[in-house]
Amino acid sequence: DQQVKQNSPSLSVQEGRISILNCDYTNSMFDYFLWYKKYPAEGPTFLISISSIKDKNEDGRFTVFLNKSAKHLSLHIVPSQPGDSAVYFCAASTLQGAQKLVFGQGTRLTINP
Amino acid sequence: GAVVSQHPSRVICKSGTSVKIECRSLDFQATTMFWYRQFPKQSLMLMATSNEGSKATYEQGVEKDKFLINHASLTLSTLTVTSAHPEDSSFYICSAIRSLAKNIQYFGAGTRLSVL
Repeated sequence: DQQVKQNSPSLSVQEGRISILNCDYTNSMFDYFLWYKKYPAEGPTFLISISSIKDKNEDGRFTVFLNKSAKHLSLHIVPSQPGDSAVYFCAASTLQGAQKLVFGQGTRLTINP
Repeated sequence: GAVVSQHPSRVICKSGTSVKIECRSLDFQATTMFWYRQFPKQSLMLMATSNEGSKATYEQGVEKDKFLINHASLTLSTLTVTSAHPEDSSFYICSAIRSLAKNIQYFGAGTRLSVL
């Protein structure tokens, strides 16, 4: 039972353009969502998060949007840079759930020069 | 950001031996740490939650006698893979929470375990 899904295993974007990574979830109890970036053979690095009381959170080039009715969140990166090439994981948790995170499968983002 | 150190980064061992992996929070105290396992091209799967001074909480399907977790201090948790077999070969990653007020986990760099 995959509670958090990233249906696009890969995405290729031209440098300078916007990258949009999508994530869907099925558990309506999730109330906190995070995006992590991961390079090969390294642990994930926290990027940005959003709680369910908001529908948008912005941090520099990164913006996360949350659509609770659709159980969908997305990460926008603009402008995209070559250093953004990595695997991006979305994760979800419940504030009552002992801080446990449920991860999606990841999307490999490649930024082309 | 918070720094979590994981050691070793890579280990190769013979089948039947035990391997210990350390996870340290370098600049903060972590009452709760987590251990994950990642198979190639798959997501991170939570194995267990490690709480300082108490027994770890294991996820369903994870053998507690196989994967021993010790969280003896506020900055160190260890995962011991006992009597390792080739099917235990995987990428193991730990994480720690810096503040209970924010549900953000900070991850170590991971350990690549290869069992021959």
